Amino acid sequence: NAGVTQTPKFQVLKTGQSMTLQCAQDMNHEYMSWYRQDPGMGLRLIHYSVGAGITDQGEVPNGYNVSRSTTEDFPLRLLSAAPSQTSVYFCASSYGTDYYEQYFGPGTRLTVT
Amino acid sequence: GDSVTQMEGPVTLSEEAFLTINCTYTATGYPSLFWYVQYPGEGLQLLLKATKADDKGSNKGFEATYRKETTSFHLEKGSVQVSDSAVYFCALSGGYQKVTFGTGTKLQVIP
Repeated sequence: NAGVTQTPKFQVLKTGQSMTLQCAQDMNHEYMSWYRQDPGMGLRLIHYSVGAGITDQGEVPNGYNVSRSTTEDFPLRLLSAAPSQTSVYFCASSYGTDYYEQYFGPGTRLTVT
Repeated sequence: GDSVTQMEGPVTLSEEAFLTINCTYTATGYPSLFWYVQYPGEGLQLLLKATKADDKGSNKGFEATYRKETTSFHLEKGSVQVSDSAVYFCALSGGYQKVTFGTGTKLQVIP
């Protein structure tokens, strides 16, 4: 099992550029989510999905889009990058949220200049 | 809404010292409680969990007890090692398909 994989590991964007952060899991988990991690603020939920074709907004969704066409993949799209989106992004997956362990990817460090 | 409050770090301890990291929560109903650990340059991984009141989660010498009366889930370890240096996150899942994390507490253990 590869677990949860994320690409790229590092990325530098200019303001206004768009890009997609990739996330994939091979554990047949229904629940997947994206978080951003900023100093002093812990992890904040951006978007989540409870299954293929179903997504919903988290705490900080503005400026990000997601889709879930398969159980395995959950890409995060930045529509027009802004310096405020400089952060470390983590994808996670699990069988659910109640009781269940979240499995995290290694993260993507994004810098927007 | 749900929230988790952790003690601010960083916490610096000498090897073999006793560790406590405080965590309190606010939630409706009966959430599940978790501690995750993040080593430098890595994603978070589950350290331990408790799913109902008075449950004790334990792993790798770490323990935490779900205290409903004080809405707390403090992390403890009797004797820390240099390899325990990491950031520790308290989290809760109160249903509603979301997990709420605390801000994290950085632990540094010096030889």
